[in-house]
Amino acid sequence: AQRVTQPEKLLSVFKGAPVELKCNYSYSGSPELFWYVQYSRQRLQLLLRHISRESIKGFTADLNKGETSFHLKKPFAQEEDSAMYYCALGDTGGFKTIFGAGTRLFVKA
Amino acid sequence: EPEVTQTPSHQVTQMGQEVILRCVPISNHLYFYWYRQILGQKVEFLVSFYNNEISEKSEIFDDQFSVERPDGSNFTLKIRSTKLEDSAMYFCASMGQWNTEAFFGQGTRLTVV
Repeated sequence: AQRVTQPEKLLSVFKGAPVELKCNYSYSGSPELFWYVQYSRQRLQLLLRHISRESIKGFTADLNKGETSFHLKKPFAQEEDSAMYYCALGDTGGFKTIFGAGTRLFVKA
Repeated sequence: EPEVTQTPSHQVTQMGQEVILRCVPISNHLYFYWYRQILGQKVEFLVSFYNNEISEKSEIFDDQFSVERPDGSNFTLKIRSTKLEDSAMYFCASMGQWNTEAFFGQGTRLTVV
């Protein structure tokens, strides 16, 4: 069964501290993995996807097929990073994207 | 920048009434989706629509739900007889190409009383 697990509902860090938001997935094929972000009062938007291997707003995520993980990392958190982060799995048919439960990141001054 | 728009932003309806939630996807997109998010819970997939038909639907998407793309621009979600548990934020999304970025609307908050 396809599943995305984000074990932390809330992650609170100080500004300048490293951040890691965990995501594990369960999928039988080759996964397409995404991180979406929702800032306060804004719509869900794509942050990054594993296939592009980009760093967006200082965030990176590496797909680890052995551990079935796609953790989101940033070396130095900023206050403007405070938001809800969703890890998502796209099936190879492209017909649905499954979201994890989300992790609220709170960056304290 | 093109974006997905949803109307209304908030809908209050009585239990048992029909509601139609409207979405205007990005114009050249081919894949369309409805998701919902019950307060405090995760974003849940409802249905996907491609080539003028439903591609996939979840177990939540029962006979009370239907989708339409009546005129090539709008994409609607109808709930025939609303229940209290249908109260949620409903998000429409569209995607240009297979398994690329999904662009989300701002959502419609549905409150069933």
